[in-house]
Amino acid sequence: AQSVSQHNHHVILSEAASLELGCNYSYGGTVNLFWYVQYPGQHLQLLLKYFSGDPLVKGIKGFEAEFIKSKFSFNLRKPSVQWSDTAEYFCALLHQAGTALIFGKGTTLSVSS
Amino acid sequence: GAGVSQSPRYKVAKRGQDVALRCDPISGHVSLFWYQQALGQGPEFLTYFQNEAQLDKSGLPSDRFFAERPEGSVSTLKIQRTQQEDSAVYLCASSLEADPYEQYFGPGTRLTVT
Repeated sequence: AQSVSQHNHHVILSEAASLELGCNYSYGGTVNLFWYVQYPGQHLQLLLKYFSGDPLVKGIKGFEAEFIKSKFSFNLRKPSVQWSDTAEYFCALLHQAGTALIFGKGTTLSVSS
Repeated sequence: GAGVSQSPRYKVAKRGQDVALRCDPISGHVSLFWYQQALGQGPEFLTYFQNEAQLDKSGLPSDRFFAERPEGSVSTLKIQRTQQEDSAVYLCASSLEADPYEQYFGPGTRLTVT
């Protein structure tokens, strides 16, 4: 069965630190991958997505993610975090049937100013 | 423009009661999804509609859960005879036919069963 693992449950950083959140998936076929973010009190919103092509995907607010097929990974990165990046981050895989999203458990990022 | 809206935002039900949760998708969005998010977990897929047709209900956990979208816009998720394990946030998402993979989420309904 397809699944997504996010190994970091809670990450605490100071402003200007670099960020990398891990995401691994299990599925041997063609994958479509997403990162969603949920800011405190707000709804889930899309940060970036990978369908095909360049494995380095750029999203909103300076985030990027790299798809490494050999490692079954899609890690999220940001060179310099801000206090406003404090949120919960979810990695997701599109189900092979092409409709539902399969989410990881999420990583809570806390950024101190 | 308006996003996906859900009502009520919070619902407390006594065990055994029936509840109905409403989702208003973005106007013109053909696809509609329901997810369940338990505390400390990521959202889990429940069911999917394309217009009024329920094309996938493989994620519904039991026959107590029922969803409908009779006119292809507003959707209702109904839970009969609620149990404590039904306590969760229920999320609705919608997407365009032209870009079915970018799902726009609503704020969710937090259901607490006591």
